[in-house]
Amino acid sequence: GQNIDQPTEMTATEGAIVQINCTYQTSGFNGLFWYQQHAGEAPTFLSYNVLDGLEEKGRFSSFLSRSKGYSYLLLKELQMKDSASYLCAVRSYKAAGNKLTFGGGTRVLVKP
Amino acid sequence: ETGVTQSPTHLIKTRGQQVTLRCSSQSGHNTVSWYQQALGQGPQFIFQYYREEENGRGNFPPRFSGLQFPNYSSELNVNALELDDSALYLCASSPTSGGAYGEQFFGPGTRLTVL
Repeated sequence: GQNIDQPTEMTATEGAIVQINCTYQTSGFNGLFWYQQHAGEAPTFLSYNVLDGLEEKGRFSSFLSRSKGYSYLLLKELQMKDSASYLCAVRSYKAAGNKLTFGGGTRVLVKP
Repeated sequence: ETGVTQSPTHLIKTRGQQVTLRCSSQSGHNTVSWYQQALGQGPQFIFQYYREEENGRGNFPPRFSGLQFPNYSSELNVNALELDDSALYLCASSPTSGGAYGEQFFGPGTRLTVL
């Protein structure tokens, strides 16, 4: 099976940097996704990693280490609108189709 | 380009009833996945449909069933509703099944409350 762990909640100050860690156990790893979800809304795609290393997209970066089963999402220059839940999800080529297994989500609260 | 749409937005049912939730996939997407998201938790995979066939199922009982139509829209049916079925039901579409990238695009969800 698959197991994904991420912290439940984090608090940071506007303009600061926050790093959300995600550890996973899976067989047949075929990519890790980060999604952002505002309260009561649909998850929206942020980033995708399948090879080791850092992927940068503006204020958001995501890192992957397959050997360690570890990823992080880095949010820079935090804005109030970044207050949301951040979901780490793993895909396995051993799972039928395009199934994503999600962690429980990390709720980030940005304070002024 | 129209995104993923779901209906209804909210629904209230009582225990034992049946419910049908609907999803229209994003234009050009032939794969639809359904997820259940309980409050404060991450989405849990229910099943996926690819070209009108079920293509993978999560750990949900048979009273959760689905359909995909020739236009790739989809339905999720839940029979004999239980209180624990109260959740946000998310539909996600993607261009291919099991592709190398294949990010999923989520609809706004249907909030189901079972009383």
